[in-house]
Amino acid sequence: DAGVIQSPRHEVTEMGQEVTLRCKPISGHNSLFWYRQTMMRGLELLIYFNNNVPIDDSGMPEDRFSAKMPNASFSTLKIQPSEPRDSAVYFCASRIRTGVANEQFFGPGTRLTVL
Amino acid sequence: AQTVTQSQPEMSVQEAETVTLSCTYDTSESDYYLFWYKQPPSRQMILVIRQEAYKQQNATENRFSVNFQKAAKSFSLKISDSQLGDAAMYFCAYRSAGYGNKLVFGAGTILRVKS
Repeated sequence: DAGVIQSPRHEVTEMGQEVTLRCKPISGHNSLFWYRQTMMRGLELLIYFNNNVPIDDSGMPEDRFSAKMPNASFSTLKIQPSEPRDSAVYFCASRIRTGVANEQFFGPGTRLTVL
Repeated sequence: AQTVTQSQPEMSVQEAETVTLSCTYDTSESDYYLFWYKQPPSRQMILVIRQEAYKQQNATENRFSVNFQKAAKSFSLKISDSQLGDAAMYFCAYRSAGYGNKLVFGAGTILRVKS
């Protein structure tokens, strides 16, 4: 299995630009999570989906952030417009729900830099 | 809301020796799961060990073991025979029982291994 795939691995953009981060979960997994990691706030959950449906988006910072999961094999996290304070590493993780103790598998992360 | 506290920002250990990383958590739930994740410089999040709260026996994975004290809400990680490859950031995480629930992470502990 290829694991959770994220693209791009690195993104450098200028303030005000739209940024789209992509995630392909592990095949068969039906929960998907987006996390953000910064020095100041550590690892924090932004949003998660069960069976493609957003369950908890309380961690989404503001309206500039949006996430979609159009099907079981793809999700996007969009920031529009981007700001320097959005610079962080964004992780996608997936999990299968058939076992309550099953772990979340993390992707390699996308390092976003907003200038 | 649940919180996870890692009180040691940084720890050092000599190669081949043993080190213990501390973690405490706050919850009113009786059924939950606890995890330790390792994040090396590559940024990849790797599950080290997990503990189900309903199990009294401490989890063990090769050189890694935990000391789970449910009443004290403590979940420490012991690394025996430390190796250079153990150097990383270690995160303690909490997850409520049930399907699809999110992980709540501590701030992390940087572990340095001296040769």
